[in-house]
Amino acid sequence: GAVVSQHPSRVICKSGTSVKIECRSLDFQATTMFWYRQFPKQSLMLMATSNEGSKATYEQGVEKDKFLINHASLTLSTLTVTSAHPEDSSFYICSARVPGKDEKLFFGSGTQLSVL
Amino acid sequence: SQQGEEDPQALSIQEGENATMNCSYKTSINNLQWYRQNSGRGLVHLILIRSNEREKHSGRLRVTLDTSKKSSSLLITASRAADTASYFCATAYTNAGKSTFGDGTTLTVKP
Repeated sequence: GAVVSQHPSRVICKSGTSVKIECRSLDFQATTMFWYRQFPKQSLMLMATSNEGSKATYEQGVEKDKFLINHASLTLSTLTVTSAHPEDSSFYICSARVPGKDEKLFFGSGTQLSVL
Repeated sequence: SQQGEEDPQALSIQEGENATMNCSYKTSINNLQWYRQNSGRGLVHLILIRSNEREKHSGRLRVTLDTSKKSSSLLITASRAADTASYFCATAYTNAGKSTFGDGTTLTVKP
């Protein structure tokens, strides 16, 4: 099956720093990747759709200057949480679709961000 | 409220019993999918059912879709302790578009 690798799995940072999370498709090319945020015991909230070679499409209420998304290649999308604050602490997950493999999503293992 | 609402929110059963989770949605869909998430991990795709299908099976999983009621159910038969996880339904309006996730059902299977 398709593999999506997400790093780091856990990051602790000080308030005001920026954190970059990587999402890689290891054995397929992903023209589109999705970034989600998940609070404890809650559902996934779609933050943005990352499109290779173009600007990301952000969901309503998500600050694009706060959550920078770059999808510079067909196998890598990055989410940078800029000037992180404690309220940004959350579980961030990426996913991608495999071309030709129906509509199912393949997920990374998630990144737990803790901002002190 | 959010597309894809699930009930129950939490379900606790004994090993060997069947577990049924339900998902309701509000607008027309292209397909509905069920995912599983172990605590602190990403989601794993379980099964997809298209809008023109009524039932699908995959191993111990059985999914039904009732488009007239805008609802779906996931049945896990002969549950095992390893089935303990959160289960989410996700609806999609188009083949390649974004999916909207339900609130999830947390299943606990006691050995």
